[in-house]
Amino acid sequence: GQNIDQPTEMTATEGAIVQINCTYQTSGFNGLFWYQQHAGEAPTFLSYNVLDGLEEKGRFSSFLSRSKGYSYLLLKELQMKDSASYLCAVMDSNYQLIWGAGTKLIIKP
Amino acid sequence: NAGVTQTPKFQVLKTGQSMTLQCAQDMNHEYMSWYRQDPGMGLRLIHYSVGAGITDQGEVPNGYNVSRSTTEDFPLRLLSAAPSQTSVYFCASSYSIGAGIKGLETQYFGPGTRLLVL
Repeated sequence: GQNIDQPTEMTATEGAIVQINCTYQTSGFNGLFWYQQHAGEAPTFLSYNVLDGLEEKGRFSSFLSRSKGYSYLLLKELQMKDSASYLCAVMDSNYQLIWGAGTKLIIKP
Repeated sequence: NAGVTQTPKFQVLKTGQSMTLQCAQDMNHEYMSWYRQDPGMGLRLIHYSVGAGITDQGEVPNGYNVSRSTTEDFPLRLLSAAPSQTSVYFCASSYSIGAGIKGLETQYFGPGTRLLVL
């Protein structure tokens, strides 16, 4: 079966750095997405990786290792508004997105 | 651009009732999809469409129907509501799927419909 694993919840301090991990086992691979979802709102796109390596976009970076079936999302200089759930999703060989259950990130002052 | 819009935002149904969740996008996206989101679970694909006149089943299609008569609209019909269909429903769209190009495959989500079936 297809599976995406990510921690259920993480806590970090304002101004710090946090890394959210995602491991996957899917039928094929056509890219990995990270989305941010604030409580009661829709998911919004953060990043996309299809090749191994690091993609940096401002305070957010995403890393991919296809051989290890592993990705992480790195958030720097955490702000209170970063409190949200972070969803990892992999596009499989049929170009369907397989979603993890999401990681709820709690930021403390 | 309004992006992806969904109506209604909230709905309460009785078991056995039917209803249609509306979804529209004004970005000329070919690919549209419906997901449901339940606590502790990832988004699950219900139905999707790769263009007008073409629809297909996702992971959890039972109890739902869709149609795609225009590029813009992709309504989801609940045939006979059941308490197990209590969920948050999201519609999403993207330019395409399978092109292997980052910008084209990014999915954009509507605000969601919160459905309670009693």
